[in-house]
Amino acid sequence: AQSVAQPEDQVNVAEGNPLTVKCTYSVSGNPYLFWYVQYPNRGLQFLLKYITGDNLVKGSYGFEAEFNKSQTSFHLKKPSALVSDSALYFCAVRASSGGYQKVTFGTGTKLQVIP
Amino acid sequence: DAGVIQSPRHEVTEMGQEVTLRCKPISGHNSLFWYRQTMMRGLELLIYFNNNVPIDDSGMPEDRFSAKMPNASFSTLKIQPSEPRDSAVYFCASSSQAGPTGELFFGEGSRLTVL
Repeated sequence: AQSVAQPEDQVNVAEGNPLTVKCTYSVSGNPYLFWYVQYPNRGLQFLLKYITGDNLVKGSYGFEAEFNKSQTSFHLKKPSALVSDSALYFCAVRASSGGYQKVTFGTGTKLQVIP
Repeated sequence: DAGVIQSPRHEVTEMGQEVTLRCKPISGHNSLFWYRQTMMRGLELLIYFNNNVPIDDSGMPEDRFSAKMPNASFSTLKIQPSEPRDSAVYFCASSSQAGPTGELFFGEGSRLTVL
């Protein structure tokens, strides 16, 4: 069975500092990995995804993520945090093999950017 | 593009009443998902449709829950009878027919409160 772990319930970072939101996964075969962001009282919004190729993926709002196969990780990063980045972030994985590919979400990490 | 449209945005009802949540996916998307989000359980997949056919309903809590997708542009999630523990935010999401590589597009959610 596939799974996603987001080990931190909350991450606090000062505005202007780099941020990292951690994600590790377990899946049979090659993974397809996604990051989503959820602002209060809103639906999830897609940020970026890793399918194949370059391990560093760039997405919306200046976010990027690095796929590390040996560590089975897909950490979300941003060089300089903004107060407006404060939100709930979800990592998700989908297996590349099999007829039906279920999407599994992590439990979410609340990012708080402090002015 | 109007995005995924859900209605109602908020619903307050009394225990035992029937609740119907509605979803209009993005035009051209072939996959539709219903999720439930609570503080305690996070984001749970309830049911997944592909080309209007239910593929995975293993997440549907019990017989009180039912979902239909009569055509490519409309889906409903019905709870009958409703119970206080059904209180949650229900999200509908759609995805294009891109296999497991396609990201999900979420609606704004329907917040259900059962008294």
